[in-house]
Order: sequence, then structure tokens, then C-alpha cells
Amino acid sequence: KAGVTQTPRYLIKTRGQQVTLSCSPISGHRSVSWYQQTPGQGLQFLFEYFSETQRNKGNFPGRFSGRQFSNSRSEMNVSTLELGDSALYLCASSLDRSNYGYTFGSGTRLTVV
Amino acid sequence: AQRVTQPEKLLSVFKGAPVELKCNYSYSGSPELFWYVQYSRQRLQLLLRHISRESIKGFTADLNKGETSFHLKKPFAQEEDSAMYYCALFNYQLIWGAGTKLIIKP
Repeated sequence: KAGVTQTPRYLIKTRGQQVTLSCSPISGHRSVSWYQQTPGQGLQFLFEYFSETQRNKGNFPGRFSGRQFSNSRSEMNVSTLELGDSALYLCASSLDRSNYGYTFGSGTRLTVV
Repeated sequence: AQRVTQPEKLLSVFKGAPVELKCNYSYSGSPELFWYVQYSRQRLQLLLRHISRESIKGFTADLNKGETSFHLKKPFAQEEDSAMYYCALFNYQLIWGAGTKLIIKP
């Protein structure tokens, strides 16, 4: 079965712009989580969606937002981009919030210039 | 506070030697712990979850609640084990260690 698909793979944006990243989970997975990965801070949790509802949110400013659609696809949006938002953004899906672990996408590499 | 600590940023061992990647956690409840691996140019993938007590690619990890540790072990390292390894604690989100880069020398 198809894995977790993230688009686009790479993005270059200018400070102040906004960006939308997309994630298609594994078929049947209803939980989608987003993580930010940077060399300095490592992997950090952004938020989790389940059945179109945000269930949990990490410690990121309100510029970071997301949503989930009825087909479980998810998008995350970052507004008013800052240089520090440059990172690899990873999406992960699972059947539910469980101890089965998560399946990750390849990520979207965002560079803010 | 919940925290995962991987004390070694880099671990280099010879092929055939035993490997132990350290992971310590701080959590007040009953932890759900995972090891994830990222091979070069590949996506992050689940290696082990403590609840299943399984062995994957020869790796095992035992939860030691007394020492709050979940070290990853393999008796005989292989070159294809070279990768980045992350220990993670699940508490409504994955809380990650900083990762250990494992290099297996031929």
C-alpha cells in the first residue's frame, strides 16, 4: 500500500510569505501528526489531527496552523515566514493515537530566505 | 518534565562488534517507548516498540524502569546498520531524543 506522501518535497520562500504543506496519510489511517526537524532543535511536535479535529498541539506560535480533511489528508500552514522556520517538516500517520508507532513521510524541506 | 536523552551524538564501532545505543527517559507514568531509524536518504522509520518486545534486524531493546532506560542493542554490527537512530517517548505526541549517528567501520 502507498506510504505517507508529502508535497512538495522542496520549497523556497521569502521572509514574510506564507506556505502550505500537504500530507496524504496511509489509507485507513485517521491520525496525522506534524513534526519540525532542525539541526539545532531536533525533532519537535507541531500538532496532531484525528477525524478532522486537532487533538494536540506543540509549543509553536500561532503562525503555525493545520487542518485535516474528511479523507484524512492534512495540510499545515505557516504564515509570516521567518528565517528560523527553515526546516524539514515531517508528517506521520497512524491508525489512531496508539503504541503501534507512526509511519513517516519523506518530508518537505522548507528554506526561508 | 518529559524528556528523552541520547547521550552519544556519534557512535563508531567495527563490523562484527556489539552495539549499544543509549536512551534514558524522564516520565512519571508508564512509558511507551520507540526506536526509529533513518538510513541515508531514506525516511524515518519505526525500528522497535517496547511493548512488542520484538527483535528487528537483530536489534533488541529492553525497558528498564528502575534505570529509566531503553537502550538499543545488537550483538554483531553490520555495515548496513550505519544510520541515525532516534529514541522516542509517546505521550499524546512523540518526544524525541537528539539522535545518535551510528557508523559501522569495515
